[in-house]
Amino acid sequence: GQNIDQPTEMTATEGAIVQINCTYQTSGFNGLFWYQQHAGEAPTFLSYNVLDGLEEKGRFSSFLSRSKGYSYLLLKELQMKDSASYLCASMDSNYQLIWGAGTKLIIKP
Amino acid sequence: SQTIHQWPATLVQPVGSPLSLECTVEGTSNPNLYWYRQAAGRGLQLLFYSVGIGQISSEVPQNLSASRPQDRQFILSSKKLLLSDSGFYLCAWRETSVDYNEQFFGPGTRLTVL
Repeated sequence: GQNIDQPTEMTATEGAIVQINCTYQTSGFNGLFWYQQHAGEAPTFLSYNVLDGLEEKGRFSSFLSRSKGYSYLLLKELQMKDSASYLCASMDSNYQLIWGAGTKLIIKP
Repeated sequence: SQTIHQWPATLVQPVGSPLSLECTVEGTSNPNLYWYRQAAGRGLQLLFYSVGIGQISSEVPQNLSASRPQDRQFILSSKKLLLSDSGFYLCAWRETSVDYNEQFFGPGTRLTVL
């Protein structure tokens, strides 16, 4: 079956670094996506990995290991506005996104 | 640039009433279109997707239906709402003419069925 696992909730301190892990198992693979979703709002696209390795975009980086079915999102220099849910999604062979339940990130001052 | 619109933003409906949610995309042609539902504290559940006018694929059997009467218009409907239909409904689109694969979401409709 198809499955995406990520932690339900994480807490971190303002200014620190946090890593949100995601493991995936899908029928075929066409990339791994990370989205940010603030409470009550629609998800917004953060990153896309289709090859192994680390992609860096400012304070946010995303890593992919296809052999391990594993990805992580790394957030540096955390700010209060980073408090949100972070959704991991794998694109299967039919180009459909299989979504994790999301990780709620709580930032404390 | 591309934009996606959804309306209404919020809706409160009684059980057994009909439903019509509309989504339109601007600035692109022949996009893939998607309807998702997100229950409180849960992940996104794909309800329907469309690769072209009149082409609808249903992912979850239920009392909802979808239609795509025009290239950039996607409508979610129900004849009789159930309590379990409450949730956050999101429309999304994806470019198909280039290699970009990400989906872009509309602002969503929060539906409460009482």
